[in-house]
Amino acid sequence: KNEVEQSPQNLTAQEGEFITINCSYSVGISALHWLQQHPGGGIVSLFMLSSGKKKHGRLIATINIQEKHSSLHITASHPRDSAVYICAGPYGGSQGNLIFGKGTKLSVKP
Amino acid sequence: KAGVTQTPRYLIKTRGQQVTLSCSPISGHRSVSWYQQTPGQGLQFLFEYFSETQRNKGNFPGRFSGRQFSNSRSEMNVSTLELGDSALYLCASSHRDRPTHMSYGYTFGSGTRLTVV
Repeated sequence: KNEVEQSPQNLTAQEGEFITINCSYSVGISALHWLQQHPGGGIVSLFMLSSGKKKHGRLIATINIQEKHSSLHITASHPRDSAVYICAGPYGGSQGNLIFGKGTKLSVKP
Repeated sequence: KAGVTQTPRYLIKTRGQQVTLSCSPISGHRSVSWYQQTPGQGLQFLFEYFSETQRNKGNFPGRFSGRQFSNSRSEMNVSTLELGDSALYLCASSHRDRPTHMSYGYTFGSGTRLTVV
């Protein structure tokens, strides 16, 4: 079964902490998206990567194709980072046919 | 630059009715995909369109249908609504036809929250 597994499901951190969210996926997924969803529903695409590492501000995403594992790191976390983080992979060579993880709900306390 | 626009934002319908949701992609984007999000199932893929052609369809019953117009705007329709169709429906657009190595391949709309009563 092709699927995407995320951990942890819930994460509470203090402002300033370094945060890691993990995503493991099965065969059939050629790349990985990291998405951020704030209360109210809007989704922001943070990264799409198929190899190596990408960085944008305080966010870093890494992927290990051989191990079928990706991580999203947030450095110097801030309460405004509180959101649900979702990883997703395009399946079967189709860009839009995404298989989603269940999401990690992050709460950063001041 | 305008983002992906979904209309309406909120919708309440009665069981058995049908509904049409609209998605206007970013100008120049030709790929539009639709997703359903529910508390129980999370996010699930519905359809993918490119240049007015449906390229992929998720595992949803035939009551769910969609189309894309020549200006890349897309609509999805759900007929004979059921209570379980209550969900947030999201669309996303991309200017790429194939998986991209760009950091930001997708832009999502804010969604249409459908409540079936």
